[in-house]
Amino acid sequence: SQQGEEDPQALSIQEGENATMNCSYKTSINNLQWYRQNSGRGLVHLILIRSNEREKHSGRLRVTLDTSKKSSSLLITASRAADTASYFCATDARGAQKLVFGQGTRLTINP
Amino acid sequence: DAGVIQSPRHEVTEMGQEVTLRCKPISGHNSLFWYRQTMMRGLELLIYFNNNVPIDDSGMPEDRFSAKMPNASFSTLKIQPSEPRDSAVYFCATSIDSYYEQYFGPGTRLTVT
Repeated sequence: SQQGEEDPQALSIQEGENATMNCSYKTSINNLQWYRQNSGRGLVHLILIRSNEREKHSGRLRVTLDTSKKSSSLLITASRAADTASYFCATDARGAQKLVFGQGTRLTINP
Repeated sequence: DAGVIQSPRHEVTEMGQEVTLRCKPISGHNSLFWYRQTMMRGLELLIYFNNNVPIDDSGMPEDRFSAKMPNASFSTLKIQPSEPRDSAVYFCATSIDSYYEQYFGPGTRLTVT
């Protein structure tokens, strides 16, 4: 089964609103990463948060990590049409030298 | 840097034919990953290499799939013989090390008829 699972599977909001996506995972991790995939393209790395960090910012992105709940959230503030994409979380289970990706959240920003 | 380069970008072939997908990693990246993405199964890790050595091929669906990395600049994923259910987008990704952020290529869209 997937190590990381995103919620919701799809999200549609108006431009300018904030978008929040969640990720839950099962085993202890070293770090958690978020990626974006535009239609027909490869995934693009957005942000990495380590297991000893609780919050991280990058521009309009804010990521939180709660290791006690084994969950993370990605917040995109002041959304733009260009943010329309699928967003994936990826985790590296401790002892496993690889990332495992979730199924992704499809985000649609309506102009 | 040109990023991860994959070729071809699109491949249409008939069932039973051999298909070879190619990947050139970013210079200096020691880890290389092959993924397959479909609507039904999402993004699946097929195999990954560290320093040209295959580390985990547990995601390779069956013996029809094979991957090689003869040097730090080149990797191939081969399907022989191909089947319609192999139709998918195949991504190559590389990173400095297996725990770090991965850089994805543009993908190869494979259609097997």
